[in-house]
Amino acid sequence: GENVEQHPSTLSVQEGDSAVIKCTYSDSASNYFPWYKQELGKGPQLIIDIRSNVGEKKDQRIAVTLNKTAKHFSLHITETQPEDSAVYFCAASPSSNDYKLSFGAGTTVTVRA
Amino acid sequence: DTAVSQTPKYLVTQMGNDKSIKCEQNLGHDTMYWYKQDSKKFLKIMFSYNNKELIINETVPNRFSPKSPDKAHLNLHINSLELGDSAVYFCASSQPGQGAHNEQFFGPGTRLTVL
Repeated sequence: GENVEQHPSTLSVQEGDSAVIKCTYSDSASNYFPWYKQELGKGPQLIIDIRSNVGEKKDQRIAVTLNKTAKHFSLHITETQPEDSAVYFCAASPSSNDYKLSFGAGTTVTVRA
Repeated sequence: DTAVSQTPKYLVTQMGNDKSIKCEQNLGHDTMYWYKQDSKKFLKIMFSYNNKELIINETVPNRFSPKSPDKAHLNLHINSLELGDSAVYFCASSQPGQGAHNEQFFGPGTRLTVL
């Protein structure tokens, strides 16, 4: 099955700086890579996703890059703000199963004011 | 309007008891899921139903039994609760379509504590 590794497990950044979270996956058949943000006491919420036919996607201060050859993808948050403090999860899904997401272990991001 | 709702939000119970968690979605989605999030925040899928049919059944003790009375509801019943069942359980729903992955919408979670 798919194995997703995520680093770092914790990340502390100064407000206004950038944050980068990296994930690797094991199943070369995976073709969908979403990122979820989980705020304290809430369920995860999709913030951005990328499919295997593109290498980069951007949405305002958030961008995701994908390297299929190396089987890794990254989340970049620029100009971080206190409300970006949360746990972020990467995930991967194989093309053979539209329903199944394998999640990384999560990164706790703290933005210092 | 709450898209995916779960009840109860908190559940504290004794070892050996049987308990249920209910989930409802008003998004019109065909697919619903149960996830378990442990104390280290690790999210793992347990079950998934598509139109009331079980499509994902991960390695979960058979003390856990999902039930989908209709496609808007997916309940989770747990028998003979053990200490290791303590976790936050999330329900989610999605509408995958024709080979395309789609967003999973998560409920607020149910924190289960087994004493």
